[in-house]
Amino acid sequence: DTAVSQTPKYLVTQMGNDKSIKCEQNLGHDTMYWYKQDSKKFLKIMFSYNNKELIINETVPNRFSPKSPDKAHLNLHINSLELGDSAVYFCASSQAGAGPYEQYFGPGTRLTVT
Amino acid sequence: AQSVTQPDIHITVSEGASLELRCNYSYGATPYLFWYVQSPGQGLQLLLKYFSGDTLVQGIKGFEAEFKRSQSSFNLRKPSVHWSDAAEYFCAVETKEYGNKLVFGAGTILRVKS
Repeated sequence: DTAVSQTPKYLVTQMGNDKSIKCEQNLGHDTMYWYKQDSKKFLKIMFSYNNKELIINETVPNRFSPKSPDKAHLNLHINSLELGDSAVYFCASSQAGAGPYEQYFGPGTRLTVT
Repeated sequence: AQSVTQPDIHITVSEGASLELRCNYSYGATPYLFWYVQSPGQGLQLLLKYFSGDTLVQGIKGFEAEFKRSQSSFNLRKPSVHWSDAAEYFCAVETKEYGNKLVFGAGTILRVKS
């Protein structure tokens, strides 16, 4: 059973398009995250949600909008894609509360904007 | 702000040799520390974590790490490297004060020569 899954695994699109990446976890966790890994492999958090509520919103362009329909899903919608959005996007989940807790990562979605 | 430094971008070791990957963090209180491994084209897998207690922690795949508060370090070690250990290794710190987000180092690429 896949703990944290993401679709699609690869996404190639043109500048200006709108795209979504889906994430699902079957671990029963309350907290989910989105991280971006750039071309230099640097990983940085973008958002976190706790039980469908936005907790962390780093300095991310408002073209990026996370959506959490329920606590097992956290989707990432990106409007007006730009070349600089090309990266690998990782979803993660963890338990909520005082912690600390380990974060479990999905396999990543490689987004290429041409 | 918290930060994580991995001084070595690349390390090459011979199969069977010992390994030490360095990690230093910058944070006033005791952070929660993690080492993740990323194989090419794969997601992140947790190797080990330090929350409190014994400063020498054991992880999966024969890895261990030692937390040294005086040096603000959390170096990863393995006594005998196998070819399958070739991957990129990320040190990360999590703090409650920063919303339980993970802050990652830039990563160290490990190459294993036979």
